[in-house]
Amino acid sequence: EADIYQTPRYLVIGTGKKITLECSQTMGHDKMYWYQQDPGMELHLIHYSYGVNSTEKGDLSSESTVSRIRTEHFPLTLESARPSHTSQYLCASSDPSGTTDTQYFGPGTRLTVL
Amino acid sequence: AQTVTQSQPEMSVQEAETVTLSCTYDTSENNYYLFWYKQPPSRQMILVIRQEAYKQQNATENRFSVNFQKAAKSFSLKISDSQLGDTAMYFCAFMKYSGTYKYIFGTGTRLKVLA
Repeated sequence: EADIYQTPRYLVIGTGKKITLECSQTMGHDKMYWYQQDPGMELHLIHYSYGVNSTEKGDLSSESTVSRIRTEHFPLTLESARPSHTSQYLCASSDPSGTTDTQYFGPGTRLTVL
Repeated sequence: AQTVTQSQPEMSVQEAETVTLSCTYDTSENNYYLFWYKQPPSRQMILVIRQEAYKQQNATENRFSVNFQKAAKSFSLKISDSQLGDTAMYFCAFMKYSGTYKYIFGTGTRLKVLA
């Protein structure tokens, strides 16, 4: 079982609110990722990080921002939530020091913006 | 650009039977990795099986095995002796490393195992 955690698991919030989705892993992985996934659809990479103080935008444009001040922590922030942000957000981490760069996923945060 | 295609949006299989999920991909790379991930309803995504492109031998993990055809760029997943707990969304994924890591996921196949 992968040790990667996300909080909250579910969040319902009004338009215009600032929110932060938390993601933590205890595996010491350098690489971390945020994906957005609509129900039953494919994953879209929105942010990734190769280590502390390293963040990059992914393939899908997102109004969210991320930070990586500590190896184990990779929070995602929306300054002003909108209904279009309603989705599931999955955090993942990987350790490329092995033979393959397998990603371990957290349980996800299901966000609903009213 | 790399693409991953899963042409079966939904499938069903009777318990104890065998089912094969298809995945094709497009790449000009020679060295890469392929994965099948499972996402049960409302649960965490987990790795099912992975395959290194340089290995000709098909990967197996208990009841799960792949048919990797590199020339055809095909990577199907076979689930033998299907169990009710196999009901989930299955994602095929392609990963390459060329200075930076890049993951590409397919759109998924929803598999339902029937009692």
